[in-house]
Amino acid sequence: QKEVEQDPGPLSVPEGAIVSLNCTYSNSAFQYFMWYRQYSRKGPELLMYTYSSGNKEDGRFTAQVDKSSKYISLFIRDSQPSDSATYLCAMSEWNTPLVFGKGTRLSVIA
Amino acid sequence: DGGITQSPKYLFRKEGQNVTLSCEQNLNHDAMYWYRQDPGQGLRLIYYSQIVNDFQKGDIAEGYSVSREKKESFPLTVTSAQKNPTAFYLCASSKKGDGYTFGSGTRLTVV
Repeated sequence: QKEVEQDPGPLSVPEGAIVSLNCTYSNSAFQYFMWYRQYSRKGPELLMYTYSSGNKEDGRFTAQVDKSSKYISLFIRDSQPSDSATYLCAMSEWNTPLVFGKGTRLSVIA
Repeated sequence: DGGITQSPKYLFRKEGQNVTLSCEQNLNHDAMYWYRQDPGQGLRLIYYSQIVNDFQKGDIAEGYSVSREKKESFPLTVTSAQKNPTAFYLCASSKKGDGYTFGSGTRLTVV
């Protein structure tokens, strides 16, 4: 079993839809959880960073962490064509390198 | 502007040749990382360094080498021992406990 599982998609939604992206993990010592967005042929950029269980909101983006279920989610409201990208979840223990999921490719169709 | 710079953007390697990928940051970050990205594989850790003159192997270090002589610089050498080097290479840096800042990547192709 891989440490971090993420459905690679592709996921295609109409503009304005709510998008839900998810990752599961097996290492109960993970305590830092992040979501990155990567456009084609570019480096990933940090979208959301959460430390504890619960929700964190930033504009149209909401990150959710459920440590008891070892499950994290990213919700995108009012999705736009500019949101079309690959979304990577990443997580780590204290002071260890991030472990990444394989990424989910999202297409938002105008 | 602060950031992390990778060069070159594209690199071609002949069989049996060593090549070095450059990574420079002016963010005053202590930690630096090298990841490899293949289609459908996500990001896999090659090497990382949390302090100058010290570095640790990641999950796929075989065929690669690094150095960390300066805080700002973390070059990666892809040696001839790396049998399948064609990939997108990403360098990142961070402060302890913070998210990573990534460079724009180097695409390496074996010819």
